[in-house]
Amino acid sequence: EAGVVQSPRYKIIEKKQPVAFWCNPISGHNTLYWYLQNLGQGPELLIRYENEEAVDDSQLPKDRFSAERLKGVDSTLKIQPAELGDSAVYLCASSLNEGSGNTIYFGEGSWLTVV
Amino acid sequence: GQNIDQPTEMTATEGAIVQINCTYQTSGFNGLFWYQQHAGEAPTFLSYNVLDGLEEKGRFSSFLSRSKGYSYLLLKELQMKDSASYLCAVSGNTGKLIFGQGTTLQVKP
Repeated sequence: EAGVVQSPRYKIIEKKQPVAFWCNPISGHNTLYWYLQNLGQGPELLIRYENEEAVDDSQLPKDRFSAERLKGVDSTLKIQPAELGDSAVYLCASSLNEGSGNTIYFGEGSWLTVV
Repeated sequence: GQNIDQPTEMTATEGAIVQINCTYQTSGFNGLFWYQQHAGEAPTFLSYNVLDGLEEKGRFSSFLSRSKGYSYLLLKELQMKDSASYLCAVSGNTGKLIFGQGTTLQVKP
């Protein structure tokens, strides 16, 4: 069974440019997450989807970040314009359902460097 | 507020036993997870505890005390490949998973 798939794996862009990340969750998982991970830190939730509905986007900087999950499967995360401080790993994850006891499975992440 | 605390770094010797502690304060409790993350890779699931006590899975065991807001991950018969970051994460009453900063474990020969 395929795991969570993300692309691109690595991206280097100049500041003020836009960037987009794509995620395909594990088949059948209706909960999808985007996490941000800085070096030496644990993942921090940006947004969580239940099917196509964003149920928790309180940590998403909405002035420059946007996300969508059309049809409740694949998702994209966009940053426009990117800033130097956005350099980090963007992890997509999925679980069967939201809530207790449901293991979250992570993709390998999209490594962003803003120069 | 919500807070998860774990040591930043630990060092241990190949073949030894190491215990990584995690303390937490959260709004409600719906379980505690441990993840392993090798450098440059995704976090991978190790264990889940929702009731007090010890869960054993091969060389890895995880313990939970809900009354103390405390967990530990025990790694036995350490191998060089166990060098990684170990993330403690707690699910609160909203189901949201909050991660600690991670403990970087270095296993030396």
